[in-house]
Amino acid sequence: AQSVTQLDSQVPVFEEAPVELRCNYSSSVSVYLFWYVQYPNQGLQLLLKYLSGSTLVKGINGFEAEFNKSQTSFHLRKPSVHISDTAEYFCAVSVRSGANNLFFGTGTRLTVIP
Amino acid sequence: DTAVSQTPKYLVTQMGNDKSIKCEQNLGHDTMYWYKQDSKKFLKIMFSYNNKELIINETVPNRFSPKSPDKAHLNLHINSLELGDSAVYFCASSQDILQPQHFGDGTRLSIL
Repeated sequence: AQSVTQLDSQVPVFEEAPVELRCNYSSSVSVYLFWYVQYPNQGLQLLLKYLSGSTLVKGINGFEAEFNKSQTSFHLRKPSVHISDTAEYFCAVSVRSGANNLFFGTGTRLTVIP
Repeated sequence: DTAVSQTPKYLVTQMGNDKSIKCEQNLGHDTMYWYKQDSKKFLKIMFSYNNKELIINETVPNRFSPKSPDKAHLNLHINSLELGDSAVYFCASSQDILQPQHFGDGTRLSIL
């Protein structure tokens, strides 16, 4: 079975400061990894994904994430946040075989403080 | 053009009623999904359909039934609604396992 842990339910950060949102996963098989963002009253939008290859993945809006297999982590980072980055962020995994079923973490609420 | 569209956006109804939520995607994707997001923002897969065949059916009550008239549509029908069904329901679609899922804006279901 797969599971995703997002240790921080809320992360407040000042505007223009760097941020890291943590994600750890557990799986007995190889997985694909994703970060999605959810703005208020909207659906989820893909930020970035790791399928294979380089462990450092760059996404939209200046976000990046690094896959660390030994630590089973996929932390999301941004060097300088903006007010518009305030949203809920979800880490998700899907297994490399079988149905494309996403397992989500519980989400991290990023609040950017002016 | 909206890629994945859900209707209605809000649905308020009483316990015991039967309701449906519609989902349409214009991306030509082969697989569609339904997710439930509870009050704590936790997202969980409910169903997925691939080429009109159910390929995942998580442990959801049989009061929930997905209906797919064609590849572009996956509707969610709920019988005998209960208070615990209050949540936001998201539809999504993807081309295949290597492609990310595209989500609709959600349907907020409130049971009185």
